[in-house]
Parts: sequence; structure tokens; C-alpha cells
Amino acid sequence: NAGVTQTPKFQVLKTGQSMTLQCAQDMNHEYMSWYRQDPGMGLRLIHYSVGAGITDQGEVPNGYNVSRSTTEDFPLRLLSAAPSQTSVYFCASSYLGRGGRNTEAFFGQGTRLTVV
Amino acid sequence: KNQVEQSPQSLIILEGKNCTLQCNYTVSPFSNLRWYKQDTGRGPVSLTIMTFSENTKSNGRYTATLDADTKQSSLHITASQLSDSASYICVVSYNNNAGNMLTFGGGTRLMVKP
Repeated sequence: NAGVTQTPKFQVLKTGQSMTLQCAQDMNHEYMSWYRQDPGMGLRLIHYSVGAGITDQGEVPNGYNVSRSTTEDFPLRLLSAAPSQTSVYFCASSYLGRGGRNTEAFFGQGTRLTVV
Repeated sequence: KNQVEQSPQSLIILEGKNCTLQCNYTVSPFSNLRWYKQDTGRGPVSLTIMTFSENTKSNGRYTATLDADTKQSSLHITASQLSDSASYICVVSYNNNAGNMLTFGGGTRLMVKP
């Protein structure tokens, strides 16, 4: 098992550019989510998905899009990058907890994004 | 609003000493509480899970406690080692129509010095 794989690990963007952060998991988890982590703040939920074809907004969704065409992949798209989106981004996956399944979240290594 | 507050924000201790990290939450309906360890430059990794009926759980030198009545949890680290230097994040789960959702605390940054 590779767990949760995020790419790239580092990225620098110019204001207005677009890009996609990739996330893939091989644990057959229903639940996948994207967080951003800023200095002195906890992880904040951007978007999440409870299964293929189903996505929903989290706490800070503005400026980001997601899609879930397969169980394994959950890419995060920045439509027009802004300096306020400079942050470390984490993708996570877990079971939903139905039937008493373990709901431990497994995180990727993170993507450090700088928008200049 | 569901919230998780952690204290202290940062802590410096000498190698071999013990320390206790605190977590207060207002998440409802409560499902479970986990402590995660996040090493610099890496994603968080689960240390312990506490359910509503559990008061204490140990994982090696880490011992977590939960008081569901006062909505408080603590993480006690015994005989600290340099490798314990990391951020420790309290994460409380609740259930909604979608399933099991997570609320994160801001973390405590622990530095263990020789």
C-alpha cells in the first residue's frame, strides 16, 4: 500500500495562474478531503468527498474546485491563484465509519504552495 | 459552532522530562477524539483514538485521557525523546448525514532539547 500520495511536493505560482494538486489513495476509502494549513492555525477543510461523483464544500472553499471521478483520485484545482492561497495543502482519506469501520484519517505528505 | 482548542501553543522541555498537552472541544454530536503527531514537513499521523466510553488509553510513552463530561482531553508524554519534537494535533470527530467529519485543533508545537 502506498497510502495517500500527493504531488507535487513544492510549487511556486504567479498570481492568476491555475494549477491542479493531485491526490491518490489505494486503501479504497470512501472519504477524501483537502485541507490547508497556515502558520498558527489548525487544518481547515477546503472540500471533501464521500464517494465517486459526490463532492461538497468545507470551511474555506472559495478559489478552489474539486472533482471525484474515481474512488482513488481527488484532485484540487486552483482556478486563478492569489497570494492568500500561499499555504501547505494536505489531502486525507478515511473510511466513513459505517458498520463500525475505523475512521482514522491518513494524510499525504503535503504540498507547499507559494503564490507570488 | 464546532471548535477544538489546544494549549499550550508551544512548549520546550528537556530530554527525559514529562509533559502534558491539553485539548478542549465543543464538537457535537461527539464520535471520537484522536491525537495526531505531525513531524515537520510531513502529514499528521494518528497516535491514539478515544471513544466516548474510554477514559485512558496508552500507546508506548504516550497516554491520552478523555473526560466526556467536561469535554477535555490530554496527551501525556513520558520520558521525552528528541524524536518527540513535533506538532501534536487534537482532532474530534462528529457524524452528520455525510458520515464522519473532522474538526482540528490548532496544535501544540513541542520542542525537546538535549
